[in-house]
Amino acid sequence: DAGVIQSPRHEVTEMGQEVTLRCKPISGHNSLFWYRQTMMRGLELLIYFNNNVPIDDSGMPEDRFSAKMPNASFSTLKIQPSEPRDSAVYFCASSALGTWGGDTQYFGPGTRLTVL
Amino acid sequence: DQQVKQNSPSLSVQEGRISILNCDYTNSMFDYFLWYKKYPAEGPTFLISISSIKDKNEDGRFTVFLNKSAKHLSLHIVPSQPGDSAVYFCAASGGNTPLVFGKGTRLSVIA
Repeated sequence: DAGVIQSPRHEVTEMGQEVTLRCKPISGHNSLFWYRQTMMRGLELLIYFNNNVPIDDSGMPEDRFSAKMPNASFSTLKIQPSEPRDSAVYFCASSALGTWGGDTQYFGPGTRLTVL
Repeated sequence: DQQVKQNSPSLSVQEGRISILNCDYTNSMFDYFLWYKKYPAEGPTFLISISSIKDKNEDGRFTVFLNKSAKHLSLHIVPSQPGDSAVYFCAASGGNTPLVFGKGTRLSVIA
């Protein structure tokens, strides 16, 4: 079984450019999560979808960040315009039941973003 | 403010000995706790969990202990193996709060 798939694995871009990160959750999972990992702040939840609907985006740092889930098998996280402080590893995770914590989340391998 | 704290950024243990990783939390609404393990260039993987109705959960070499009065949990790995070298994240959830992660502890098991 394929796990959570993320692309690209690495992205290097220049400040001001648009960046789009992609995620394919595990088939049959109802919930999808986007996280950002930095040394300073650890793993932060950015946004959470349940049945393709955004439930909580309070972790999205700024209006420069947006996320969509047009269908059950695909989600994007977009940063426009990107800034050097956006450099981090971005993880996508999915879970089967759609509850916050009584349900295991399965993580993708992450996208390492570097904004120059 | 950090609701889940892992105060030791790193830990070194000799192979065969016990590894103890600690985690403290502040939100009394948390009722479900998880440990994730992360290798370099990979995403975190679920390791073990515990509900607040229990004080211990064991899975092979891994045991998680929960002390609700102290708002403290710990992960014990016995015996530690070189393949256990990774970053370990503590996470907690409950009520309407999403899963909250600590910053992680890097475990190095020395052969």
